[in-house]
Amino acid sequence: EAGVTQSPTHLIKTRGQQATLRCSPISGHTSVYWYQQALGLGLQFLLWYDEGEERNRGNFPPRFSGRQFPNYSSELNVNALELEDSALYLCASSSYSSYNEQFFGPGTRLTVL
Amino acid sequence: EDKVVQSPLSLVVHEGDTVTLNCSYEVTNFRSLLWYKQEKKAPTFLFMLTSSGIEKKSGRLSSILDKKELFSILNITATQTGDSAIYLCAVGNAGGTSYGKLTFGQGTILTVHP
Repeated sequence: EAGVTQSPTHLIKTRGQQATLRCSPISGHTSVYWYQQALGLGLQFLLWYDEGEERNRGNFPPRFSGRQFPNYSSELNVNALELEDSALYLCASSSYSSYNEQFFGPGTRLTVL
Repeated sequence: EDKVVQSPLSLVVHEGDTVTLNCSYEVTNFRSLLWYKQEKKAPTFLFMLTSSGIEKKSGRLSSILDKKELFSILNITATQTGDSAIYLCAVGNAGGTSYGKLTFGQGTILTVHP
């Protein structure tokens, strides 16, 4: 069974630019979650999507947004990038009924210069 | 606000030793507690515990949850160098504003020397 996949592996942007990160869930999973893991900080919850709808959102500014497509893949968009947005962005997926049992992808390392 | 605290923050042992990692939590609507192993990037799922007092085992790893005292432990017996990693504890919420999200602890950095 293929796991959660994310692209790109690494992304380098400059301040003020926009970044788009992509995630494909495990086959059969309808829920996708996004987490940020900044240096020195634990994993922080960003967003949860299920069946194309945003179900919950963490304490992040509105310039962090995303969407989920009909095939359950998802995009995370970060607008007006700031230096402190540099982090590992992890995507996880689950079935809706077992929404706590989350399986993670390899992450996208975003560097903002 | 939900809170997860892990201890110790780091641990150095030699191959063959047994280690115990601790996780305590405060959460409004507890649903489950999860353990992950993070080596380079992706946290790898180890266990999900929902019932108190029932031990889950996988090879040399085992974990148990105490819902009365609000903690869990992860045991690793006969450690190997391949066990070196960050071990993350997370708590899942049944509803409210934390619905769906996992709240993570800071992690325990385990280093196993040959």
